[in-house]
Amino acid sequence: EDKVVQSPLSLVVHEGDTVTLNCSYEVTNFRSLLWYKQEKKAPTFLFMLTSSGIEKKSGRLSSILDKKELFSILNITATQTGDSAIYLCAVKNSNYQLIWGAGTKLIIKP
Amino acid sequence: DVKVTQSSRYLVKRTGEKVFLECVQDMDHENMFWYRQDPGLGLRLIYFSYDVKMKEKGDIPEGYSVSREKKERFSLILESASTNQTSMYLCASSLSLAQETQYFGPGTRLLVL
Repeated sequence: EDKVVQSPLSLVVHEGDTVTLNCSYEVTNFRSLLWYKQEKKAPTFLFMLTSSGIEKKSGRLSSILDKKELFSILNITATQTGDSAIYLCAVKNSNYQLIWGAGTKLIIKP
Repeated sequence: DVKVTQSSRYLVKRTGEKVFLECVQDMDHENMFWYRQDPGLGLRLIYFSYDVKMKEKGDIPEGYSVSREKKERFSLILESASTNQTSMYLCASSLSLAQETQYFGPGTRLLVL
């Protein structure tokens, strides 16, 4: 059975800290891995990763995929209170279905 | 910008009522999805549709049905709502099955009493 596991489930840090969120997966015929940020409503797309070792970067956020060890990390540097959200990881399998992790709830304290 | 809208942000229904959740996208996307999101369980796919009048079961279709009579509109129906269907319901769309990014609506928080 395909599954995606995110860790930690929740994380509380102080503003300015750097955080690393983890996503590991067991999926039949991996196609891609996606990260989303969900604040109070709809998840919004952050990154899509398909190749190992190539870092995707957007401002203070970056992500990388390891297809050998079957995981991805999402890094956020110099965190701000606006980074508080649930971060969702999803993996697309050979049937084009997205398998979602449970999410990591990140709280940034001022 | 892709826009996905859902008919209600909050709904309160009684056990046994029939519930309709509507989702509309304005970007001519082929695929539309209904998920429910519960704490600790992440997003779980209920149904998806890859074309008008076409539908496929997701991981948890029991107790739900869907309708896609027009390309832009995808409805989720709870024939007889039960308390275990209290949840956040998210609709999403994507251009095609091969396109990786799904665009989400704001969600409908349903409470079944």
